Amino acid sequence: DVKVTQSSRYLVKRTGEKVFLECVQDMDHENMFWYRQDPGLGLRLIYFSYDVKMKEKGDIPEGYSVSREKKERFSLILESASTNQTSMYLCASGSAGRGAKETQYFGPGTRLLVL
Amino acid sequence: DAKTTQPPSMDCAEGRAANLPCNHSTISGNEYVYWYRQIHSQGPQYIIHGLKNNETNEMASLIITEDRKSSTLILPHATLRDTAVYYCIVRVGGTSYGKLTFGQGTILTVHP
Repeated sequence: DVKVTQSSRYLVKRTGEKVFLECVQDMDHENMFWYRQDPGLGLRLIYFSYDVKMKEKGDIPEGYSVSREKKERFSLILESASTNQTSMYLCASGSAGRGAKETQYFGPGTRLLVL
Repeated sequence: DAKTTQPPSMDCAEGRAANLPCNHSTISGNEYVYWYRQIHSQGPQYIIHGLKNNETNEMASLIITEDRKSSTLILPHATLRDTAVYYCIVRVGGTSYGKLTFGQGTILTVHP
């Protein structure tokens, strides 16, 4: 089974703090993704990466950065946390291959509260 | 990606089959139907996907109509743990590349 783990399930931070969210996958997937999910707004893509040290902006990259130094690990960084970044953060991974089962697999999510 | 339409909510008795419909009348020839579910406060979980043939795995069955304009996800023996939001997504298959877009989904409530 595909396993995607996230460093924390719940996190409380203060405005202005630097926040690191880590994601690790154990399936040797090339593609990794960071989304945030908010009530009424659905799933929104923040950043994704299709290879080590590669990154692409998603729909809402402002206020975030990412790091992918190793294939299995994709980190999301909030440079200076703000209250409007309170959200559920979801990491996903998927293979770059074009097989029938290729899709994205999600981690359990990190619920971040910024005070 | 093609747009999908799902009922906002459904109920099902425990032990009975849950049949969740999805309309995707503008689906293209290279687009697959994917189903995910999200249990409260957890990450989305992949369930099943298909192109035009019916598919079955250990979690569910997927029935796609011959014209591919609609599909039904079947949970054959629903349990209380199947209570979740179920999302039907249509997208180009065979790749994980690109963002997933979830609609409103169907809130399935399984009751004793």
